[in-house]
Amino acid sequence: AQSVTQLDSHVSVSEGTPVLLRCNYSSSYSPSLFWYVQHPNKGLQLLLKYTSAATLVKGINGFEAEFKKSETSFHLTKPSAHMSDAAEYFCVVSGSGGGADGLTFGKGTHLIIQP
Amino acid sequence: AAGVIQSPRHLIKEKRETATLKCYPIPRHDTVYWYQQGPGQDPQFLISFYEKMQSDKGSIPDRFSAQQFSDYHSELNMSSLELGDSALYFCATREKGPADTQYFGPGTRLTVL
Repeated sequence: AQSVTQLDSHVSVSEGTPVLLRCNYSSSYSPSLFWYVQHPNKGLQLLLKYTSAATLVKGINGFEAEFKKSETSFHLTKPSAHMSDAAEYFCVVSGSGGGADGLTFGKGTHLIIQP
Repeated sequence: AAGVIQSPRHLIKEKRETATLKCYPIPRHDTVYWYQQGPGQDPQFLISFYEKMQSDKGSIPDRFSAQQFSDYHSELNMSSLELGDSALYFCATREKGPADTQYFGPGTRLTVL
């Protein structure tokens, strides 16, 4: 079985400062990991994904994440926060590789951007 | 680019009524997933279909059923609705082949009164 733990339920940063959203995973195999973003009353948008090709993954809107197997972590970062980044962020792990397995979501981190 | 289409976007039902939610995949996507997201919660996987066959099952209540049709669209049927079924229901689809990225639709917001 796989699981993800998002270490912070809320993160507040000032506009223009770096963002760090933390995620640890547990999996008995080499997982696929994702970050999705959900703006208020909106659907889930894929930010980036890791599938073992490279440990540093670049996504949309300036976000990136680094896969660290030794730390079982997949933290999401952005050098400079923008007001439009305010949203809920989910760290997600795929199923057991069976193709149609459902995703397992973390509890989410609410990112607040202070002006 | 074409996205996943869900209908209706909003649905209001009374307790004990039935509801049907529809999902239309991105072209060339053959796998469909359903998720339920309660207020302030993370999405929970309900069920998935690959090539019109049920593939994986999550925390789907027995009152719910789903199927995938020959054109790959899927329907989630919900009966004997309860207040606790009020949630955002997402459909996600995945393309043919080894890629495992799921693309989500905008969701159907179900309110049970």
